[in-house]
Amino acid sequence: DQQVKQNSPSLSVQEGRISILNCDYTNSMFDYFLWYKKYPAEGPTFLISISSIKDKNEDGRFTVFLNKSAKHLSLHIVPSQPGDSAVYFCAASPNTNAGKSTFGDGTTLTVKP
Amino acid sequence: NAGVMQNPRHLVRRRGQEARLRCSPMKGHSHVYWYRQLPEEGLKFMVYLQKENIIDESGMPKERFSAEFPKEGPSILRIQQVVRGDSAAYFCASSAGTGGGYTFGSGTRLTVV
Repeated sequence: DQQVKQNSPSLSVQEGRISILNCDYTNSMFDYFLWYKKYPAEGPTFLISISSIKDKNEDGRFTVFLNKSAKHLSLHIVPSQPGDSAVYFCAASPNTNAGKSTFGDGTTLTVKP
Repeated sequence: NAGVMQNPRHLVRRRGQEARLRCSPMKGHSHVYWYRQLPEEGLKFMVYLQKENIIDESGMPKERFSAEFPKEGPSILRIQQVVRGDSAAYFCASSAGTGGGYTFGSGTRLTVV
């Protein structure tokens, strides 16, 4: 039973446009959500997080939206840049100890120049 | 200390041998987390340690796997009698506490031949 799902294995976007990466979860106990970016042969890098008491969190070009009733979150990147090309992981934890998170399988984003 | 240091970066072991993976957390970080990533999958939590204590090992296989984080020195993930299914990327992350962000190392890629 996969508790965090990223249903799109890949996404291709033109430079300057918006990238929208989606994530669904099934465990109602999750209340802290994170997005990570990962380049090949490197560890994941934390991008942005959101607590369940919020429905939106913004940091520069990155915005995460949380819809608790739908158990769905999304990451918006605007404008997309070629350097954003990477694998993006959604992760969730039942508390703010995000060290013990459940990860999705990732979405590979390709931003074309 | 620029970040979380993992070594070796690549490790090849024959079936039945032992694998030792090391993780030195960021300076000032006393919480260490180990994750495993199988090909085409997300990261799976294995174990959470603080200095000299295993806090949560709910993600560790019951046999052949062990972890420690001694008072002095790096955290060690030990896999005895490795099998081909142990081939994966093993990531370590560290944090100063249980809230907020934590930092991943670049991982150790274990190949069992």
